[in-house]
Amino acid sequence: DAGVTQSPTHLIKTRGQQVTLRCSPKSGHDTVSWYQQALGQGPQFIFQYYEEEERQRGNFPDRFSGHQFPNYSSELNVNALLLGDSALYLCASSGQMNTEAFFGQGTRLTVV
Amino acid sequence: AQSVTQLGSHVSVSEGALVLLRCNYSSSVPPYLFWYVQYPNQGLQLLLKYTSAATLVKGINGFEAEFKKSETSFHLTKPSAHMSDAAEYFCAVSVPTNAGKSSFGDGNTLTVKP
Repeated sequence: DAGVTQSPTHLIKTRGQQVTLRCSPKSGHDTVSWYQQALGQGPQFIFQYYEEEERQRGNFPDRFSGHQFPNYSSELNVNALLLGDSALYLCASSGQMNTEAFFGQGTRLTVV
Repeated sequence: AQSVTQLGSHVSVSEGALVLLRCNYSSSVPPYLFWYVQYPNQGLQLLLKYTSAATLVKGINGFEAEFKKSETSFHLTKPSAHMSDAAEYFCAVSVPTNAGKSSFGDGNTLTVKP
């Protein structure tokens, strides 16, 4: 079992650009959650996808959007990048019978 | 709504000494509680979890935590610190109906001195 995989591991974008991050959940999991972890802080919940729909959303602007595909993989899109969007973006997957989520290694986004 | 508070962002102990990282939670429903460890430029690794069974929970690498409802606490301990324990530690809370959505504290940076 490959666990939760995220791509890319690192990327650098210019302010104002758009970025797409990808996540493949652990085998058997149908729910994907995205988190933003700024330097020196704990992860902050962005949103969660289940059955290809956004089920819950944290306190993030509409510039942050996502998608879930029929195979349960997910994308996080961020438009009009700001310097403050620089962070580690973590994906977590879970199933309906799980008591915990499983985290990927994250994507380090740097906005310059 | 759920939240956690971790006091003391930087904790320093000597190798072989007791490790104590404090976590207090707030939850409108009976919570699930977690401790994660994070090494530089890596994701989160689950150390242990409380899911309403035994209040004393044992995890990996010799860590354990005790759920105390009366104190709304879930402090993490390890009797004897090892150099390899130096990392960032996060406490998190979620509700039983949604394992994927957790609220995290700001973390504790643990330094282990030789």
